[in-house]
Amino acid sequence: RKEVEQDPGPFNVPEGATVAFNCTYSNSASQSFFWYRQDCRKEPKLLMSVYSSGNEDGRFTAQLNRASQYISLLIRDSKLSDSATYLCVVNRAAFQKLVFGTGTRLLVSP
Amino acid sequence: SAVISQKPSRDICQRGTSLTIQCQVDSQVTMMFWYRQQPGQSLTLIATANQGSEATYESGFVIDKFPISRPNLTFSTLTVSNMSPEDSSIYLCSVANNEQFFGPGTRLTVL
Repeated sequence: RKEVEQDPGPFNVPEGATVAFNCTYSNSASQSFFWYRQDCRKEPKLLMSVYSSGNEDGRFTAQLNRASQYISLLIRDSKLSDSATYLCVVNRAAFQKLVFGTGTRLLVSP
Repeated sequence: SAVISQKPSRDICQRGTSLTIQCQVDSQVTMMFWYRQQPGQSLTLIATANQGSEATYESGFVIDKFPISRPNLTFSTLTVSNMSPEDSSIYLCSVANNEQFFGPGTRLTVL
């Protein structure tokens, strides 16, 4: 079983739609959680950290459920520019060793 | 966030040769890491580059194949030694103080 699991997609949605991605992790000792965005042939870029209380940044909302070892990302009012691969990332320990999911591909169409 | 550069951005190499990739950051950072992203896959951590001491390698990666240097807090190199086509990948350095950021990557093709 992979340490971080995501649905690879692709998720095809129209502009303006709301879309949600889920991610599960297996290591209960994981300490911090992130969503990264990766565009084709580019490096991953930090989208947002994920906190136990949930956090929001504009159209993006991230949730963490430690009991279920589950992380989510909600994107509201999707834009064409949101098309990318979204990587669920877990910090395995205190030494910033990130473990990446395989990513969920999002395609937003006009 | 820090500005990270990598050289070369891409290279095509013959099997059996070695390539050294450089990573430069515009400010001092606590942690530097090297990752690999094979075609169609996600990122895998190769090692943590420790300043002034030997790198810490993840399971499946060894110093003889991927020697790493980190002479100071802003610079690191990764060498891919005795390359084979299976080493064709994107190699990314990343830096972290609190959050972690990635360099633009080096796209390596081994023939």
